[in-house]
Amino acid sequence: QSVLTQPPSASGTPGQRITMSCSGSSSNIGRNYVYWYQQFPGTAPKLIMYRNNQRPSGVPDRFSGSKSGTSASLAISGLRSEDEADYYCSAWDESLSGPGMFGGGTKLTVL
Amino acid sequence: EVQLVESGGALVQTGGSLRLSCTASGFMFSTYGMNWVRQAPGKGLEWISYISSSSTTIFYADAVRGRFIISRDNARNALYLQMNSLRVEDTAVYYCARDTGRDRNNIELDYWGRGTLVTVPS
Repeated sequence: QSVLTQPPSASGTPGQRITMSCSGSSSNIGRNYVYWYQQFPGTAPKLIMYRNNQRPSGVPDRFSGSKSGTSASLAISGLRSEDEADYYCSAWDESLSGPGMFGGGTKLTVL
Repeated sequence: EVQLVESGGALVQTGGSLRLSCTASGFMFSTYGMNWVRQAPGKGLEWISYISSSSTTIFYADAVRGRFIISRDNARNALYLQMNSLRVEDTAVYYCARDTGRDRNNIELDYWGRGTLVTVPS
């Protein structure tokens, strides 16, 4: 059971804007940056958002991130079929359980 | 080009040991913190360990603390994970991943290997 909570699934149609959430606490999201990773089946994850809302080079500006209090969100606008993937949020957790934490992941389906 | 290549995955019996390796190239390995992240079949990502560039700072997840040991050899551009007392629930693909080190007290993984599979049968 992860300390970062993500809905297990999300869906949208091409061209639509969708958002997915990541809920944490004061020991993680509340005081540290949030990161987002995209993973296609059978491949390694890829960093697509850092410092809550910053995109690495090469990530389309259709992807955006935000954080408020102990929750964060990843939004994808102009949804495309190639966005269908698993998305994981991550944040440093300052509890004794170890600093690296991932959410359980959200599987995005493009209908 | 940054490359991370894991090796050492195998089928090992419960209670056994295994050593994973990750060979890095294309960047100055000795200046980056490194991590191990695993993914059980059909499950999500699970961070398990971090080691700083000079090995002075090491963190473990509760699930592996006391059983796994992370280490590195900067002269060989290599990261290791010694896995002892293996359990069925350790079955997973194990990824090594580079930490950007951009921000203190944050883990930001910008490059990942393709992973190596460890199977501990029930």
